[in-house]
Amino acid sequence: AQSVSQHNHHVILSEAASLELGCNYSYGGTVNLFWYVQYPGQHLQLLLKYFSGDPLVKGIKGFEAEFIKSKFSFNLRKPSVQWSDTAEYFCAPYQAGTALIFGKGTTLSVSS
Amino acid sequence: NAGVTQTPKFRILKIGQSMTLQCTQDMNHNYMYWYRQDPGMGLKLIYYSVGAGITDKGEVPNGYNVSRSTTEDFPLRLELAAPSQTSVYFCASRPSGGVSYNEQFFGPGTRLTVL
Repeated sequence: AQSVSQHNHHVILSEAASLELGCNYSYGGTVNLFWYVQYPGQHLQLLLKYFSGDPLVKGIKGFEAEFIKSKFSFNLRKPSVQWSDTAEYFCAPYQAGTALIFGKGTTLSVSS
Repeated sequence: NAGVTQTPKFRILKIGQSMTLQCTQDMNHNYMYWYRQDPGMGLKLIYYSVGAGITDKGEVPNGYNVSRSTTEDFPLRLELAAPSQTSVYFCASRPSGGVSYNEQFFGPGTRLTVL
């Protein structure tokens, strides 16, 4: 079964700092990769996704992620975070035939 | 479209009680899913369905049952509630093709407490 590892459990940043959240997955075949975000008290929303093609994908609110096949990684980045980015972030590869497999999540706290 | 809707939003159960968490989607998606979310553990797949009449177990199915009699509805049943089932439950659906293939759309969740 596929597994996913998110390296950072809790990240604390000041506004305008740069962000990078690590994600590694185990599956070596064709992958569909997703980042979801969960703002406090809300349900999960899609941030961005990678299916194929350009390994650098852009999502909503200035987020981007880079798929590096050789490293089995799909790290999330944002050049300058805002207070409103405070949320929990989940990396989720799609396991063929079943469902998205979620990492344990990274809580991002941004201070103004 | 309302998307994926879940009821109730909150529920407190006593140990041994039963209840059904409702999930409905109006996007004509074939695939539907139930996850539970526990603090620091991410989301764990309970059950999923690839279409009406077809269901299958996920990673943590014990203590739960599902049915899928229509494309729209995918209820989750707890027969004998236990404190370990205290969690937030999310229902999701996805299309079987098109540009959003494999993208799962989530409902707002049901927060369940078992005392």
